[in-house]
Amino acid sequence: DAGVIQSPRHEVTEMGQEVTLRCKPISGHDYLFWYRQTMMRGLELLIYFNNNVPIDDSGMPEDRFSAKMPNASFSTLKIQPSEPRDSAVYFCASSGRTVKAFFGQGTRLTVV
Amino acid sequence: AQSVTQLGSHVSVSEGALVLLRCNYSSSVPPYLFWYVQYPNQGLQLLLKYTSAATLVKGINGFEAEFKKSETSFHLTKPSAHMSDAAEYFCAVTGTASKLTFGTGTRLQVTL
Repeated sequence: DAGVIQSPRHEVTEMGQEVTLRCKPISGHDYLFWYRQTMMRGLELLIYFNNNVPIDDSGMPEDRFSAKMPNASFSTLKIQPSEPRDSAVYFCASSGRTVKAFFGQGTRLTVV
Repeated sequence: AQSVTQLGSHVSVSEGALVLLRCNYSSSVPPYLFWYVQYPNQGLQLLLKYTSAATLVKGINGFEAEFKKSETSFHLTKPSAHMSDAAEYFCAVTGTASKLTFGTGTRLQVTL
């Protein structure tokens, strides 16, 4: 398996633009997580899904953030409109029954 | 609710010296505990996990951790540091559903 695949690896966008981050989890995993990593806040769980259903989105910072999982092999995290304070590394992770999360390489987002 | 506290945001050791990274947890249910490592510009990689089997857990790259319920600790150790161990290390806890809560991380520096 190729592991968790995130795209793009790097994204630079202007304030006010819409940003979409993508994630392909490991096949067979039924949990998918979106994390954000910043120097100030460390690793924060934004939202997680189980069997494509959002279970806990209490970490989503604002209504500007939304996440979807239309099927078991794809998820998106969207920020609209983006702001400079959204600049961070966004990680997607997936796990199955072994309670072991596998992380993607992350998307480094810079909003200017 | 679960949480972890990592003591020391930066630890510096000499090559060949003992590595000790501290983690204390809080959990209202029997916890699953993890150590992850993050190399620069990379995602998180699982080092080891505790899931209520043996209290001494051996992981990759010569690392191990001991679960001590009486001390609510899960410290990470390695007998002899190598230059390639320089990275950031995260302790994490989950009670159920694979929802990981991470500590703030400890950056390990290895000097000659």
